[in-house]
Amino acid sequence: AQSVSQHNHHVILSEAASLELGCNYSYGGTVNLFWYVQYPGQHLQLLLKYFSGDPLVKGIKGFEAEFIKSKFSFNLRKPSVQWSDTAEYFCAVNAYGANNLFFGTGTRLTVIP
Amino acid sequence: KAGVTQTPRYLIKTRGQQVTLSCSPISGHRSVSWYQQTPGQGLQFLFEYFSETQRNKGNFPGRFSGRQFSNSRSEMNVSTLELGDSALYLCASSFRQGAGETQYFGPGTRLLVL
Repeated sequence: AQSVSQHNHHVILSEAASLELGCNYSYGGTVNLFWYVQYPGQHLQLLLKYFSGDPLVKGIKGFEAEFIKSKFSFNLRKPSVQWSDTAEYFCAVNAYGANNLFFGTGTRLTVIP
Repeated sequence: KAGVTQTPRYLIKTRGQQVTLSCSPISGHRSVSWYQQTPGQGLQFLFEYFSETQRNKGNFPGRFSGRQFSNSRSEMNVSTLELGDSALYLCASSFRQGAGETQYFGPGTRLLVL
């Protein structure tokens, strides 16, 4: 079975700091990868996704993620965070051809103005 | 397009009762998946329906069931509720884009079992 690890449980940054959230998965086959965000009081929203092609994918609100197949990783990055990025971030994976997502435990990001 | 809608948004039930939750997918999406979110277990996949057929199932007991209608709307049912079923139940709809499907989530139904 697949599993997803997000090693950072809570990250606290000041505005304008750079962000990198780790995500590692375990699965030997081809995967699709996702980052979702849950802002306080709101529902899960898609930040970005990787299906195939360029391993560096860009999403909404200035986020990007890089798929490194050899490391089974899909880390999320943003060069300069804003207070409005305060939220919980979830990495998710499914096997190619399947539609059941396996989620990481989430990383809570707090941005201090 | 309107997003995924779920009803009701909040529910309070007592142990032993049953509950039915409803989900309306984004127009044109034929796949509906259900997830349970709890503080302890995080987000866990329950099941997926496509064209009125269960296409995939997670590791939950048989008390959890679902169905999908011809208009792609879906319901999930939990029978004989237990305290541990208290959770946020999320519905997601999706459609295939090339190599994969992207799931779009609704706001969820928060179920409290007393």
